[in-house]
Amino acid sequence: KNQVEQSPQSLIILEGKNCTLQCNYTVSPFSNLRWYKQDTGRGPVSLTIMTFSENTKSNGRYTATLDADTKQSSLHITASQLSDSASYICVVMRTNAGKSTFGDGTTLTVKP
Amino acid sequence: NAGVTQTPKFQVLKTGQSMTLQCAQDMNHNSMYWYRQDPGMGLRLIYYSASEGTTDKGEVPNGYNVSRLNKREFSLRLESAAPSQTSVYFCASSEAWPGLGQPQHFGDGTRLSIL
Repeated sequence: KNQVEQSPQSLIILEGKNCTLQCNYTVSPFSNLRWYKQDTGRGPVSLTIMTFSENTKSNGRYTATLDADTKQSSLHITASQLSDSASYICVVMRTNAGKSTFGDGTTLTVKP
Repeated sequence: NAGVTQTPKFQVLKTGQSMTLQCAQDMNHNSMYWYRQDPGMGLRLIYYSASEGTTDKGEVPNGYNVSRLNKREFSLRLESAAPSQTSVYFCASSEAWPGLGQPQHFGDGTRLSIL
């Protein structure tokens, strides 16, 4: 069964601290993995995409990694800000399937 | 540039009532999608339209119908609302099908409560 599992389910950190969110998947054959950020009351917004050949990609304070062998991805947030409080969703697409499998998300709360 | 616009933003229905959720995108995207998001669960695909003139069932299509009115607009209809359909509904669009690595652009959702 094609699944995407994210951990932790929720996380609370202090402003300025770093954190890492995990995404494990069993989706096969793998095409790409995308991280979305969803602010409360808003729709998800794409942060970054990882393809099979990419190991690391940065977008400002966000750094995503991908290990296609172990089918794991992580999203690292550096020097967190209050505006980073949101749900982070991992989405994996299968090759030639055209449909995405969504994880349940990790809810991050950044406190002052 | 509005992106993806959903109307209404909030709606309360009684069991058995019908309604249509509207979605429009101004990015000239070919593909459009309807999802539902329930607390603690990931987004689940209800229906999608790979291109104008085509629609297909997603993961949870029962109780819903869709219409791709034109390239810009994709509506979702609940014919006889049930409490189990209480959810937040998101419309999304992407440039091409099956995405080919391009992101989906989401609206801000319609919060639907069915009593």
